[in-house]
Amino acid sequence: DQQVKQNSPSLSVQEGRISILNCDYTNSMFDYFLWYKKYPAEGPTFLISISSIKDKNEDGRFTVFLNKSAKHLSLHIVPSQPGDSAVYFCAASYRGTNAGKSTFGDGTTLTVKP
Amino acid sequence: NAGVTQTPKFQVLKTGQSMTLQCAQDMNHEYMSWYRQDPGMGLRLIHYSVGAGITDQGEVPNGYNVSRSTTEDFPLRLLSAAPSQTSVYFCASRGQRHSPLHFGNGTRLTVT
Repeated sequence: DQQVKQNSPSLSVQEGRISILNCDYTNSMFDYFLWYKKYPAEGPTFLISISSIKDKNEDGRFTVFLNKSAKHLSLHIVPSQPGDSAVYFCAASYRGTNAGKSTFGDGTTLTVKP
Repeated sequence: NAGVTQTPKFQVLKTGQSMTLQCAQDMNHEYMSWYRQDPGMGLRLIHYSVGAGITDQGEVPNGYNVSRSTTEDFPLRLLSAAPSQTSVYFCASRGQRHSPLHFGNGTRLTVT
């Protein structure tokens, strides 16, 4: 059973518009969520995170929203730029004795067209 | 400061061969982990370690072995390679529990 799901494998947007990437999770024990960005032939790099005690976190053009009741989070990129074209992974971790292991979604490939 | 370094970048093995994927980090991170990424899929945790001398299994540990004799190094051993282990392998480390993971650039492994 996949605990973190990114239901859209791909997303294409025009430069300057908003990109919205979605992520759903099933495990209510998750208390920390992160987004990573991955370019081809490179490892993922951290983008932005949010704790379960918050519903929004903003960093420049990137904002993550968390809806705990719906077990849903989204990443907004405004305005989108061609350099944002990459695979975006949603990840979740939780308290307990699991040492904060992160569970990843399958990723969404974002293409930003000039 | 190199971060997380993985070697080799590419490797081709024949079925039944064994090999070790190397991972080293210079950030003094206690937590290190190995993930594999298959096409169209996310990162699946193979093994992880919360400090030198301590390792544990992740979601997909079968066919892999790890050890952690130093804080810096976390090698992943394939005991008898199988075509199902064809994948891209990522090593990652982090400091505190909810700190972001720092990833290496991956090892692309093909088993024929």
